[in-house]
Amino acid sequence: GNSVTQMEGPVTLSEEAFLTINCTYTATGYPSLFWYVQYPGEGLQLLLKATKADDKGSNKGFEATYRKETTSFHLEKGSVQVSDSAVYFCALRGGSNYKLTFGKGTLLTVNP
Amino acid sequence: ETGVTQSPTHLIKTRGQQVTLRCSSQSGHNTVSWYQQALGQGPQFIFQYYREEENGRGNFPPRFSGLQFPNYSSELNVNALELDDSALYLCASSLAGDQDTQYFGPGTRLTVL
Repeated sequence: GNSVTQMEGPVTLSEEAFLTINCTYTATGYPSLFWYVQYPGEGLQLLLKATKADDKGSNKGFEATYRKETTSFHLEKGSVQVSDSAVYFCALRGGSNYKLTFGKGTLLTVNP
Repeated sequence: ETGVTQSPTHLIKTRGQQVTLRCSSQSGHNTVSWYQQALGQGPQFIFQYYREEENGRGNFPPRFSGLQFPNYSSELNVNALELDDSALYLCASSLAGDQDTQYFGPGTRLTVL
C-alpha cells in the first residue's frame, strides 16, 4: 500500500534560517504529492502540491520538487519566520480515489 | 478560512457511548472525506462519501459510519466508543473531478474517558 515517511521532529530554527523537511514515499503508479500545514488549534491547510514528476510546488516562500527517481518531495524555505511555526505534513494521493495518506508530521518551531 | 465548518469543537464521552460529529462543506462540494488524527500522528483516512453514498473506506471497523446529505452537510457516527477513539476528527470536502484540492475543517476534538 501507499506510505509516507517524513523527517522526525521537532525541528527548532532561528528566524531567517534555511529549512528542509525531508519526505519520501512509497506508492504504485504516479501519485499526487502534497504538503499540508497545521497551526496550533487549527485544521489542515494545503501549503503546496505537485501532480507529476519534476513539478515544483511553491507557496509563501516554501517549495518542493516531485522527484520520482528518489521518490521524494522535500520541503524547503530559504528564510523562515516565527509565523512559520507549525506542524508540517507530507501526503500523497494515489490512484483514482480521494484518500490522502499522510506522514506523521514534523513540528517546526522558529525562534526570534 | 476554508469554508468548511465542524461541530462541536470539543466533546467528552465515556467508553461505550455513541457520538455524532457534524461537518458542513462548501456549497457545491459533493465529496466529503473523514479523517482521524491521534495525538502526535498524521491523519488516517476513515471513509469518503460521494453523492450521499460511501465511496471508499479505510481500515476502520463498522462502528464508524457516516451520512452525507443533499445540503452538503455530513455526519460521522461512532458507536461503542473506546478509549483509543480519542482523537481529532477532520472532515475534508472537494469537488468531484478535482481530487487534488481538498478543504479541511478545523476538526472536532473527541475525548473518551
